[in-house]
Formats: sequence, structure tokens, C-alpha cells
Amino acid sequence: GQNIDQPTEMTATEGAIVQINCTYQTSGFNGLFWYQQHAGEAPTFLSYNVLDGLEEKGRFSSFLSRSKGYSYLLLKELQMKDSASYLCVIMDSNYQLIWGAGTKLIIKP
Amino acid sequence: GAVVSQHPSRVICKSGTSVKIECRSLDFQATTMFWYRQFPKQSLMLMATSNEGSKATYEQGVEKDKFLINHASLTLSTLTVTSAHPEDSSFYICSAREGQDHEQYFGPGTRLTVT
Repeated sequence: GQNIDQPTEMTATEGAIVQINCTYQTSGFNGLFWYQQHAGEAPTFLSYNVLDGLEEKGRFSSFLSRSKGYSYLLLKELQMKDSASYLCVIMDSNYQLIWGAGTKLIIKP
Repeated sequence: GAVVSQHPSRVICKSGTSVKIECRSLDFQATTMFWYRQFPKQSLMLMATSNEGSKATYEQGVEKDKFLINHASLTLSTLTVTSAHPEDSSFYICSAREGQDHEQYFGPGTRLTVT
């Protein structure tokens, strides 16, 4: 079956670093996306990984290991506005999106 | 967790024809369904929000006569792209929510190619 696992909720402190992990088992792989979603808003694209390694974009980095079925999203210098849900999404061999349940990130002052 | 399905997963149509995409909530009753459009490596763009039994609310810039949305039951919403043009080629994603305080679940998407 197809499965994406990510923690339900995480708490971190403003200015700190947090890593949100995602493990997956899917039928084929054509890339992994990370989206940020604030309550009541549409998901916002953060990153796309299709090859192994680390992609850095400002305060956000995303890592992929295809052999391990593992990715993480790293957020540095956390700001209060980073409080949101973070969705790990896989595109499978049929180019269909498989959505993780999301990790609710709570930032405390 | 809750499951949202879309049909078809992939469709190719000729310019000028219409195509209907279905979105179903499989194990819950969705009072609200959302339709998004996604361009490669970009954020999902909300097209419209539909509540069961009432007219859809379209986002600014989305032509309601071109993108017809029907949310006739608590488990089904349809998006019909009328008189499709190549620029309508995109990935269309729906999501569903049981109630205002409930989670939003996303469908697998429908890839539309207009030739």
C-alpha cells in the first residue's frame, strides 16, 4: 500500500531550528514536495526533491534519501509566522499526488 | 485517515471540448470541497470553494462560466472545464472537509492536457 508518515505535531522556540521528518512507501516515485499551509489558506509550495541530497532555499532546506524512503524539512531561525502545517507529498509513478496528513508546527516565543 | 478520490487521474482532450473531473469523499461527508490548480513546482492556486447544495464561490480571476462546479451531494463535487484551450492544461486538485473545524483532505489530482 501507499503510506506517508510524518509527526502529527511539533513545538519549537522562536529563533531555533526544527526538523520535520517524513517517511514514505509508495508505488513508484517521481518526486517529493513540501508544502506549508496556514489555517484556512491554500498550501504554499516550499520545495521539490527528486534526486538524493539537500536542497537549500533561504531558511528552509529539504533533504531526500530515495533508498531509505525518507525526507526531512529543516527550518532555521524560526519565526512566529512559521507556525503552520507542513505537508509531505509524494508524486508516484503515475504522477498522482499522495498527501501526508501534515505536521502542525507550533512556535513559542 | 479520510480518503478523497478524483476521476479521471489523467485526461487528454481536444481544444474546444469540455471535460468533467469528479472529486469524491470516500468515507466521510464533505460539506465543503475546494478546487485547486497547480502549475509545475508552484503553490496550489485556489480556484473555488463549494458548499453542498449551494453555488460555488470563485476566487478572483477564475471564470465561473468556464470552470463549472457542482457540489450536488455530500460526497461528490464535479469540475467541468468548458471549451478547453491548451492554456487550461494543468494539474487540478480537489480537497474536502467535513466541517469548518475538521481537517482538509486532498485528492490525488487530475492531469488535464488540452491538445
